[in-house]
Amino acid sequence: AQSVTQPDIHITVSEGASLELRCNYSYGATPYLFWYVQSPGQGLQLLLKYFSGDTLVQGIKGFEAEFKRSQSSFNLRKPSVHWSDAAEYFCAVAFYSSASKIIFGSGTRLSIRP
Amino acid sequence: EPEVTQTPSHQVTQMGQEVILRCVPISNHLYFYWYRQILGQKVEFLVSFYNNEISEKSEIFDDQFSVERPDGSNFTLKIRSTKLEDSAMYFCASSERETGAYNTEAFFGQGTRLTVV
Repeated sequence: AQSVTQPDIHITVSEGASLELRCNYSYGATPYLFWYVQSPGQGLQLLLKYFSGDTLVQGIKGFEAEFKRSQSSFNLRKPSVHWSDAAEYFCAVAFYSSASKIIFGSGTRLSIRP
Repeated sequence: EPEVTQTPSHQVTQMGQEVILRCVPISNHLYFYWYRQILGQKVEFLVSFYNNEISEKSEIFDDQFSVERPDGSNFTLKIRSTKLEDSAMYFCASSERETGAYNTEAFFGQGTRLTVV
């Protein structure tokens, strides 16, 4: 079955430190990949997306993600986090065979240590 | 920038009552979706809608749920007889084409928080 795994439920990093949030998917073909951010009580904001081409994609708020086909991964990175980055981050995929729906991972809650 | 709007932002209803959650998708979009997020859990796909019919639905989307595009602008989710476990944030989304096709992304609304008491 198609699935998305975010192995880290909660991560705490110091302000100014680098960040990497992990995401793995399981599916045979190339998926369409997304990272969304959700602040408490808020909706889903798209950070970045990958459909094809360059496997390193840049998003908003200084985030980037790299698609690694061999590892079925799409990890999110930021070189220096800010206190305002504290939020829930969801990796999501859509698959060509069922492109009418997006499958979300269980999310990673990011806390920032002052 | 065009956006998906949902009303109300928060709705409280008694168990057994019917609720209708409303969404106005982006005007030139053709595909519409409902997702839900139970508190503290992940976002789950409920249903997709295209050309005035359901194109895909999850096992969550049982007979108590229905969707409708009553006019040219609104997209609604009806829950016929709400249960306590229906309490969740419900997100509407829309896209110009199927997600991924021609680099199409889905745009999400801010959500309606449904509380069943």
